[in-house]
Amino acid sequence: EAGVTQSPTHLIKTRGQQATLRCSPISGHTSVYWYQQALGLGLQFLLWYDEGEERNRGNFPPRFSGRQFPNYSSELNVNALELEDSALYLCASPPRGTRSSYEQYFGPGTRLTVT
Amino acid sequence: QKEVEQDPGPLSVPEGAIVSLNCTYSNSAFQYFMWYRQYSRKGPELLMYTYSSGNKEDGRFTAQVDKSSKYISLFIRDSQPSDSATYLCAMMRIGYSTLTFGKGTMLLVSP
Repeated sequence: EAGVTQSPTHLIKTRGQQATLRCSPISGHTSVYWYQQALGLGLQFLLWYDEGEERNRGNFPPRFSGRQFPNYSSELNVNALELEDSALYLCASPPRGTRSSYEQYFGPGTRLTVT
Repeated sequence: QKEVEQDPGPLSVPEGAIVSLNCTYSNSAFQYFMWYRQYSRKGPELLMYTYSSGNKEDGRFTAQVDKSSKYISLFIRDSQPSDSATYLCAMMRIGYSTLTFGKGTMLLVSP
């Protein structure tokens, strides 16, 4: 089965613009987690979607938002981009039939660069 | 103090060396302890996990958890150039949905 996919691979935006990142979990997996991996800061939890609803969010401002579609794919939106938003954004899903797990399957990420 | 501390490295070793990677943590509520491996330009993948304290071995890899010291380790025996990657420790509390990651240690194994 195909793994978690993300698009685009790279995204370059200027400060103040909006960015939209997309994720498709493994087929049949219903939960999607978003993480930010910024240089020097490690992997930080952003948002969790399950069955179309936002279930939890990390310590990020409201300009980070998203949604989950009926087919369980997800979109992360970052408004009013700032230079420090430059990072690798990773999407992950736990195993089929689970909402959360120590095991998460990660996509390859979207590299967002804000200039 | 951050919840999970991990030395970012890089850690450079020759092929065949024994590698020790470590993390410390401050939240005693963590019960699941994981090691993820991340190759360049890829997402992390689960390498090993341990529930509560103790040791776990899988081939050349051994994970250890010492809850009394709030310290976890990953040992790699007979390291190979293909082990060159960033190793992230991660932890989770029972009943919580999110993982807390360390910053990751970059490992370079030279032939």
